[in-house]
Amino acid sequence: QQQVKQSPQSLIVQKGGISIINCAYENTAFDYFPWYQQFPGKGPALLIAIRPDVSEKKEGRFTISFNKSAKQFSLHIMDSQPGDSATYFCAASKGPGNQFYFGTGTSLTVIP
Amino acid sequence: GAVVSQHPSRVICKSGTSVKIECRSLDFQATTMFWYRQFPKKSLMLMATSNEGSKATYEQGVEKDKFLINHASLTLSTLTVTSAHPEDSSFYICSARLGTEAFFGQGTRLTVV
Repeated sequence: QQQVKQSPQSLIVQKGGISIINCAYENTAFDYFPWYQQFPGKGPALLIAIRPDVSEKKEGRFTISFNKSAKQFSLHIMDSQPGDSATYFCAASKGPGNQFYFGTGTSLTVIP
Repeated sequence: GAVVSQHPSRVICKSGTSVKIECRSLDFQATTMFWYRQFPKKSLMLMATSNEGSKATYEQGVEKDKFLINHASLTLSTLTVTSAHPEDSSFYICSARLGTEAFFGQGTRLTVV
């Protein structure tokens, strides 16, 4: 059973545009929601993360929006650049030291 | 940020041989490490949770005798793929948590020929 559902599977955005990736979860015990960026042949790297007591978190061009009542969270990439082309995974976990549950991934392509 | 180093990054081995992959937390101690397997264009699939000083916890469907995990110290966990077969070819990634955050190794591309 997929604990975290992610959409879309792939996304093509023009340079300078906004990329939006959505995730939904069922387990209300989750208390940490990170987004990871992965380039081909590399391990995932933490991009930005949020806890459920905050509705939005912004770091540079990256913003997480979190809707606790809807059990959804999303990643917004402003002013998307070709260098942002990668696969993005959302994840969720409950408590420190426990496993992460990953979304299925979104392949983002930013065209010049 | 914290660094997790995984070695080797690529390995090719013959069918029937064993391969060991190392995962080290370079600047922090990790009582728990995680091993994932990733197929092309797919998500990370948790294989097992490696606990320092005790037996690993394997996910359902993962063969314990095939994927041997050893977490002998607070900074090192190893995954040994025993009697490797071509279907074991995949991208293996380790991870360690520091507080709420998780840090990933750079992954190991295993090809069994």
